[in-house]
Amino acid sequence: EAGVTQFPSHSVIEKGQTVTLRCDPISGHDNLYWYRRVMGKEIKFLLHFVKESKQDESGMPNNRFLAERTGGTYSTLKVQPAELEDSGVYFCASSPGTLPLGNEQFFGPGTRLTVL
Amino acid sequence: AQSVTQLGSHVSVSEGALVLLRCNYSSSVPPYLFWYVQYPNQGLQLLLKYTSAATLVKGINGFEAEFKKSETSFHLTKPSAHMSDAAEYFCAVSRLKAAGNKLTFGGGTRVLVKP
Repeated sequence: EAGVTQFPSHSVIEKGQTVTLRCDPISGHDNLYWYRRVMGKEIKFLLHFVKESKQDESGMPNNRFLAERTGGTYSTLKVQPAELEDSGVYFCASSPGTLPLGNEQFFGPGTRLTVL
Repeated sequence: AQSVTQLGSHVSVSEGALVLLRCNYSSSVPPYLFWYVQYPNQGLQLLLKYTSAATLVKGINGFEAEFKKSETSFHLTKPSAHMSDAAEYFCAVSRLKAAGNKLTFGGGTRVLVKP
């Protein structure tokens, strides 16, 4: 079974440009999460989808970030316009939502975003 | 609010020596605690989790952790380090056992294993 995949693995853009990150969760996982790790800092929660609905978006830094999960499958995270402080590694995770693995989150390899 | 503190951003151990990574948490409700490991160029992989059952939790690759409520700690140990244990380790806490709750992470501890 395929794990959580993320695309691209690396992205280098200039300040003011737009970038879209994609996450494909494990098939059948209703819960999808986005996290971010800025260099030198801890991994921080951004938001959580249950199927196509945003369950918790309390960690989204500002309105330059837009996350979608159309059809409850893959998710995209768009940053527009990108700023220098948006650089970091963006992780996606998914969980099945049912026991016995309900609360275990499976992580993707991350997308390293560099804003110049 | 929840928080996690990992003491030591870098730890160096000799091959065959004890690995001890410290994690202290703060939570207003009974916590669920996790240790994740990240190998180079890979995603985070779950090592073990505490979900209010046994306080001594055994995980993969010979790791274990003990939940101590009185000390608000969840330290990770492995009796004998192997070169393949070189990675970054993250302690995390969530509030609920059910799915749908965000993880709050510590800052991570990078482990270097010396031959």
